[in-house]
Amino acid sequence: QLQLQESGPGLVKPSETLSLTCSVSGGSISSSSYYWGWIRQPPGKGLEWIGNVYYSGNINYNPSLTNLVTMSIDTSKNQFSLKVTSVTAADTAVYYCARLPETYTRDGYYGLYFDNWGQGTLVTVSS
Amino acid sequence: QSALTQPRSVSGSPGQSVTISCTGTSSDVGGYDHVSWYQQHPAKAPKLMIYDVYKWPSGVPHRFSGSKSGNTASLTISGLQVEDEAVYYCCSYAGSFTLIFGGGTKLTVL
Repeated sequence: QLQLQESGPGLVKPSETLSLTCSVSGGSISSSSYYWGWIRQPPGKGLEWIGNVYYSGNINYNPSLTNLVTMSIDTSKNQFSLKVTSVTAADTAVYYCARLPETYTRDGYYGLYFDNWGQGTLVTVSS
Repeated sequence: QSALTQPRSVSGSPGQSVTISCTGTSSDVGGYDHVSWYQQHPAKAPKLMIYDVYKWPSGVPHRFSGSKSGNTASLTISGLQVEDEAVYYCCSYAGSFTLIFGGGTKLTVL
C-alpha cells in the first residue's frame, strides 16, 4: 500500500529557508505513471497547490509561488523535496505531499488530481 | 490565477441531498474536463472523492456524484450521512500545467 510521509523542521525563522522531504513507500517514485506534488494549507484556511514534479525532473510551479519555491526529486532515495525561501508568517501552514496519476489532457500528459496524500506536517514561521 | 469560487457553507439533514458548486472561468473549469473534489475531515488529509468531473476512485460511494455546466462544476451528495460532515474542496486544471483549488465549502449535516 502506497504511503507518503512528510518530514522536516516544524519551526522556521522568518527570512530563512523552509525545507521539507516526502518519503514514498509501497511504490516507486520512478514510475512513469505518476507525478508527485506539494500542497499547503494555512491554519483555518483552504488548500493551495504549490507544484508538481515528475521522475524525469520536469517541474511545474504555481505561478504565484514560482519565485519562492524549488522542488526536486531523488529517485535513488524514493523521495522528493520542497524548499521555500525567504519565509514569512504567511508561509505558516500544514504542508502535504501527494501523488498524481498521469492523465491525458489536450496540453499533454500531466498530473491532474491527487489520489494519495501524506498526513501533512505543520510548519510554523516564527522567531 | 484566482481561487475557484465555492459557497462557504451548505447544510442538509440525514437522507437528503445537497449540491456544492465550484465556479471558475473558461480558462480552468470551463476549459477542461479535469475537475476533482476532495473531502477533508478536521485535522485529516484531504481524500479524493471525484476526478475528471464525474469519475469515482475505487471505494468512494456513488452517493457522491459530479457534474459540470459551463464554468461551474458541482458535487452532489445524496442520502446524506452524518459522516459526510466535512469541508469539500474542488480543484481544476487551469492550463499550462497548473492546478487551482476552490476556497472550500463546509458541509453541516443537521
